[in-house]
Amino acid sequence: AQSVTQLGSHVSVSEGALVLLRCNYSSSVPPYLFWYVQYPNQGLQLLLKYTSAATLVKGINGFEAEFKKSETSFHLTKPSAHMSDAAEYFCAVSPRLNSGYSTLTFGKGTMLLVSP
Amino acid sequence: DSGVTQTPKHLITATGQRVTLRCSPRSGDLSVYWYQQSLDQGLQFLIHYYNGEERAKGNILERFSAQQFPDLHSELNLSSLELGDSALYFCASSGTANTGELFFGEGSRLTVL
Repeated sequence: AQSVTQLGSHVSVSEGALVLLRCNYSSSVPPYLFWYVQYPNQGLQLLLKYTSAATLVKGINGFEAEFKKSETSFHLTKPSAHMSDAAEYFCAVSPRLNSGYSTLTFGKGTMLLVSP
Repeated sequence: DSGVTQTPKHLITATGQRVTLRCSPRSGDLSVYWYQQSLDQGLQFLIHYYNGEERAKGNILERFSAQQFPDLHSELNLSSLELGDSALYFCASSGTANTGELFFGEGSRLTVL
């Protein structure tokens, strides 16, 4: 079964500092990988996804993630944090199937706290 | 706005009761997924329907059931409710392309007293 592990339930940064949220996946073959963000009292919103094209994936709001097969990682980064980035971030994995649908398995989430 | 609509947004009920949560997927999406989010378990996949048929089951209790109707909306039925069922229940939809991307509603927060 596929799974993802997010290191750190909480990450605190100062405004303007680098954001690094860690995610490692477990899969026998390279899966699809995703980062979602959840703002307070809202549903999850897709930040970016890796589906086997470029290993460096750019998403919305200045976030990007790099797929590293050798490290089975898909860490999320942003060069400079904004107060508005404070939210919970979820890494998710989906198998590569040709069935027309798939089921996402989510990590436990990492709460990003941004201080002024 | 993801285009996925969930009702009700908040629901408070007592143990032993039964509730129904409703989801309208994005226009044209055939797949509907239900997830449960709680502090201790995180986001847990419950069940997936595709064009009216059940396609996958996750950690869904026998007290819970779901269905997808011909107009593609879905309902999640929770019965014999227990305190531990208090959680945020999300519905998500996706299109036919196998990109894995899901579009989430804002959730229904269930509180069981």
